[in-house]
Amino acid sequence: IAGITQAPTSQILAAGRRMTLRCTQDMRHNAMYWYRQDLGLGLRLIHYSNTAGTTGKGEVPDGYSVSRANTDDFPLTLASAVPSQTSVYFCASSREGLTDTQYFGPGTRLTVL
Amino acid sequence: AQSVTQLDSQVPVFEEAPVELRCNYSSSVSVYLFWYVQYPNQGLQLLLKYLSGSTLVKGINGFEAEFNKSQTSFHLRKPSVHISDTAEYFCAAIKITSGTYKYIFGTGTRLKVLA
Repeated sequence: IAGITQAPTSQILAAGRRMTLRCTQDMRHNAMYWYRQDLGLGLRLIHYSNTAGTTGKGEVPDGYSVSRANTDDFPLTLASAVPSQTSVYFCASSREGLTDTQYFGPGTRLTVL
Repeated sequence: AQSVTQLDSQVPVFEEAPVELRCNYSSSVSVYLFWYVQYPNQGLQLLLKYLSGSTLVKGINGFEAEFNKSQTSFHLRKPSVHISDTAEYFCAAIKITSGTYKYIFGTGTRLKVLA
């Protein structure tokens, strides 16, 4: 079934540890996005990629990095996790730009202690 | 100032009653507007979007929204809700800053449909 997969589903992490959240799509979409969802704040864009090989910063990029080596994968890395990065993380993709429908993955619930 | 504002954090409504979820946008965003729905423990799903043309936009599951430029609003409506419509609803817009385009979401409205 076509769509977006994210791994892991949930994770508890000690502060200071490095963590990579994985995101893979099989729709051959050019654009991909990472959001974090926090209660009362809605979704906030962390990083995005308009096409393979390019990335850009969203609203809240500090403490996160991304790479886009190919069309399908868009991993998000926390180099040294802090408790304020406790959140639910959603990956999304769209065929081309932002006016296209975004398709969301099921999310990763991350707790940093 | 918030670019996309959803004033109602929660909206309870009885089954088969009409509902309106409010969304206002600021002049700092474009008039590309979206409504997404998030069911419990799931990702977001597009309900409808306004890019141009007719100001009344029809979406999935019987929802519709009206773009009102003079009131800078994009309220979501459904004439008769079902229990299955219980979910969180997000309004979103595209913000253009220095030639870059980014998605901005509102804080969400939790719709609770009561039997």
